[in-house]
Amino acid sequence: EPEVTQTPSHQVTQMGQEVILRCVPISNHLYFYWYRQILGQKVEFLVSFYNNEISEKSEIFDDQFSVERPDGSNFTLKIRSTKLEDSAMYFCASSEWGGLAGGLNTGELFFGEGSRLTVL
Amino acid sequence: SQQGEEDPQALSIQEGENATMNCSYKTSINNLQWYRQNSGRGLVHLILIRSNEREKHSGRLRVTLDTSKKSSSLLITASRAADTASYFCATNSNYQLIWGAGTKLIIKP
Repeated sequence: EPEVTQTPSHQVTQMGQEVILRCVPISNHLYFYWYRQILGQKVEFLVSFYNNEISEKSEIFDDQFSVERPDGSNFTLKIRSTKLEDSAMYFCASSEWGGLAGGLNTGELFFGEGSRLTVL
Repeated sequence: SQQGEEDPQALSIQEGENATMNCSYKTSINNLQWYRQNSGRGLVHLILIRSNEREKHSGRLRVTLDTSKKSSSLLITASRAADTASYFCATNSNYQLIWGAGTKLIIKP
């Protein structure tokens, strides 16, 4: 069964360092997402990406965050200068349909297992 | 405003019993989705119910949607130890899914 894969599974970094989290979405999916979840808390939307550009982003996704699809398979989240409060589990997800193509509906999301980021 | 508030926050039942979790939301939606998350793992999609549907089944799962009350329920029948997980509802409005805080379900053997 196709799956979303994420690397690394766990990253420990010093405050102020740059971090890149990587994701390989399911190959025929067109919509890509990053979410984060602080331990035991709510799942928070960061950004959605379609057709090589950001389609939606939340207020959490400020200038220190960026996303990129550098090739046909990878989808990355970069955090430029990490803060203590960036410590969380970061989930990548993809869906086959969504946005205008889905009549403003968002379809079933397939999630990766997450990358745990610890900022010291 | 917050969407997708689940209740109860935690539920502990005996194996074999039915588990019911509820989700309330505030604004109109296109669809509502339920996901399961095992501890420390990713989220797994369970069921998507559209705003014009009232009930949907998948195996031991039954989801209802009442758009007049802006609420949904997830029923797991004949619970098993493997159902122990957190369950999240996510409401879809426009391009986004808005998530609740989840219900932590514990199935006691």
